[in-house]
Amino acid sequence: AQKITQTQPGMFVQEKEAVTLDCTYDTSDQSYGLFWYKQPSSGEMIFLIYQGSYDEQNATEGRYSLNFQKARKSANLVISASQLGDSAMYFCAMRGSTDSWGKFQFGAGTQVVVTP
Amino acid sequence: DTGVSQDPRHKITKRGQNVTFRCDPISEHNRLYWYRQTLGQGPEFLTYFQNEAQLEKSRLLSDRFSAERPKGSFSTLEIQRTEQGDSAMYLCASYKISRAELGELFFGEGSRLTVL
Repeated sequence: AQKITQTQPGMFVQEKEAVTLDCTYDTSDQSYGLFWYKQPSSGEMIFLIYQGSYDEQNATEGRYSLNFQKARKSANLVISASQLGDSAMYFCAMRGSTDSWGKFQFGAGTQVVVTP
Repeated sequence: DTGVSQDPRHKITKRGQNVTFRCDPISEHNRLYWYRQTLGQGPEFLTYFQNEAQLEKSRLLSDRFSAERPKGSFSTLEIQRTEQGDSAMYLCASYKISRAELGELFFGEGSRLTVL
């Protein structure tokens, strides 16, 4: 069974500062994918970034980067130069190869509030 | 707009009534997922389809829940004899299998259910 753990229920960050959101996972799959989504108060789920388990380099997408430490089974999201519009819930998710890359498993989320 | 669409966006019903939600995925997407999300929590997997075949159903899903995707296009999620604990946001998501290990989920805006 796969499990995603996000231990930070909420975080405050000042505008223009960087913030790191923690995500650890547990899986017996050899191949898997890790995802981060953003959910603003409006409710839509917005895909941010993806990391494959065999990718040697950490994924980056604009101000988002994923700090992937495979041995520690962690996939932390780093948001650089925070903006007020980054205030949202952030979810870490994964899916594995065992069940034909079927089920996406989500963590409980971290609420980020960016302050001026 | 050719994204994932869900209908209705909001549904208020009395306990014991049946409700049905519809999801229209992005047209070329062959996988379709249903998730349930309660306030402050991450999306909880309910079920998913590949084309018209229902490949997995969560053990958490009681017999009152049923989902279909009859022609491999739109899907419906029906909840019979609703209970107050069914109050949640029901999210639909889809993606196209190309490279099996890649592909993020594209989410609809959700259908919010309130059971009185």
